Amino acid sequence: EAQVTQNPRYLITVTGKKLTVTCSQNMNHEYMSWYRQDPGLGLRQIYYSMNVEVTDKGDVPEGYKVSRKEKRNFPLILESPSPNQTSLYFCASTDSRRNTEAFFGQGTRLTVV
Amino acid sequence: AQSVTQLDSQVPVFEEAPVELRCNYSSSVSVYLFWYVQYPNQGLQLLLKYLSGSTLVESINGFEAEFNKSQTSFHLRKPSVHISDTAEYFCAVSQIQGAQKLVFGQGTRLTINP
Repeated sequence: EAQVTQNPRYLITVTGKKLTVTCSQNMNHEYMSWYRQDPGLGLRQIYYSMNVEVTDKGDVPEGYKVSRKEKRNFPLILESPSPNQTSLYFCASTDSRRNTEAFFGQGTRLTVV
Repeated sequence: AQSVTQLDSQVPVFEEAPVELRCNYSSSVSVYLFWYVQYPNQGLQLLLKYLSGSTLVESINGFEAEFNKSQTSFHLRKPSVHISDTAEYFCAVSQIQGAQKLVFGQGTRLTINP
């Protein structure tokens, strides 16, 4: 089954404690992205990757890092989380040859206290 | 740069009534248009998309959307809603050329009352 898998689904952490949210896709897609969803703001892109070792900032990259060492994986790293990063996070992947539909993971609800 | 505005944050309707969720966009380049749906505690699923051709596009569960270039709109409609349509709906655009990036509207929460 084609899918994007994020882990964990839920996470509560404390300010400053480094964390990683994993994302993996099994569709051999080149493009992968991270979004955050906040009430009244919709989804906003944090970072994206066009292929292995190629990443770039989206609209709200401050406080986040990503890496793309393998095509299937695109982890999101918060090195020093703060309460304003409390949000719902989604990973997405897209086939670059079609570039017409993004497939989303189930989401990770992060709370930073 | 692109921007998307969904004009209603919440839309309550009765079951079997028609509904329209409004979406307007702004872009200096040609874009693809999308509607995504998010059911409670789930990720986003593509509902329908406009790429080119006929300006009226349909989904398998009875929704339709019409691309209006002059009004830069892509409103979503359904003639008769069901309880199972309760969800949040997001309008989005992406550039046809260049890196894939979806720009989303704020979302519209559709609530169906029996």
